[in-house]
This record gives sequence, structure tokens and C-alpha cells, in this order.
Amino acid sequence: GAVVSQHPSWVICKSGTSVKIECRSLDFQATTMFWYRQFPKQSLMLMATSNEGSKATYEQGVEKDKFLINHASLTLSTLTVTSAHPEDSSFYICSAPFPAGESDTQYFGPGTRLTVL
Amino acid sequence: QKEVEQNSGPLSVPEGAIASLNCTYSDRGSQSFFWYRQYSGKSPELIMSIYSNGDKEDGRFTAQLNKASQYVSLLIRDSQPSDSATYLCAVNEGGATNKLIFGTGTLLAVQP
Repeated sequence: GAVVSQHPSWVICKSGTSVKIECRSLDFQATTMFWYRQFPKQSLMLMATSNEGSKATYEQGVEKDKFLINHASLTLSTLTVTSAHPEDSSFYICSAPFPAGESDTQYFGPGTRLTVL
Repeated sequence: QKEVEQNSGPLSVPEGAIASLNCTYSDRGSQSFFWYRQYSGKSPELIMSIYSNGDKEDGRFTAQLNKASQYVSLLIRDSQPSDSATYLCAVNEGGATNKLIFGTGTLLAVQP
């Protein structure tokens, strides 16, 4: 299957700082990527769709000014959590669709665990 | 609002048994269906995709799709303790978005 990487795998930061998370498709190009957040023992929550060369599409209730998404190339999308607070502590996961079979199949990165002190 | 529903479990089966995981979806027009496995603290990994009615087998895993009943299932034969994880059913929303709609997942516990 396709490989999606994320960096960093974990990050600890102080409240009020900004954190950037990278998502890369390693062996294929992705015009869209997806960003999810998952709190402990809860299901995945789609935050936004990252679109190469254009603005991201945010899900209802997700603050676009707080979660900045940039998709500057066909293999890289970044999520920046601005002015992070303890309630932003979560597991952030990206995915990218890869053409396989009858439709695109989404492959997930390994995730980034963010802890805000 | 398109929905995907799964029993949250936990589903407990003895080692060597067949585990049966079920999922229903609300959008009759859905065409693409996926099963992902997620170990605690890890990201989801793809197990199988299925697009046509009937069964699709891959090793110990069999996905079953019934579009008339809007039902998709995953059977795991010869269950192993290493299969213990949360299994996520996902349905492609369709159209140009390529978004997946996930169920809440079923926690499977395989008892040695």
C-alpha cells in the first residue's frame, strides 16, 4: 500500500505556543489530504480537507484561524496549531487518498501526539 | 446527515474462533466501503476495501457487502490475540470530496 509519513511523532509544548505538524505522501502525489483529531477512547474526527494549491475546507465547528493548513506541494500538507492550549492536546492524524481498485483508498500517517502543558 | 453505525463492543471471542464485526450505513448511494484496524495509541491501518455485493476474502479476513440491506461486515477467522484492536468501518461519502465517514468502531478482544 501507499505510505504516508508524519513528523513529529510526538510533541510537548507550552500553552500559547504554535506547533507545526507535517504530513507527507512518500511514494505518490496527493492533491488532497485529510486531517483528523482523536481524543482518548473516542472516534476519529475529521477536522479539514487540505487542498493542494488552494484553501483548506474545514469541518463545521473547527476554527480555521486556530488550525492553519497549508498544502504547498503534491506531497506535503502541514497543520499548524496556533496558540495551543491544554484542550488541544490530542492525537492528530493525516491521511491521503491513493488510487487503488475501484476508488481511492485512504492511507493514514502514523499520527502525532500533541501534549500542551 | 450520512451515518455509519457500529456496535462499540467490546466483542470478546476465544482464540481460534471467528470474530464477526458488523456495520450499517445510511446512504443508499454509497459505493466504496473500507475496514480499518486501529491498535491502541496507533493510527488506523487498512485491512480491506469492498465495492461489490458479496464476499471478498484476504487471508483470514472476509468482508461482506449487502447494498440492499446497507450492511457491511468483517469476519476474522482463527482469531488471534494480536487481532485485539478497534475495527473501524468507513464509507466513502462519494462525489468529489473523497471523504470517509467512519463508524465509532468496535473493540475486539481475543482471549488466549
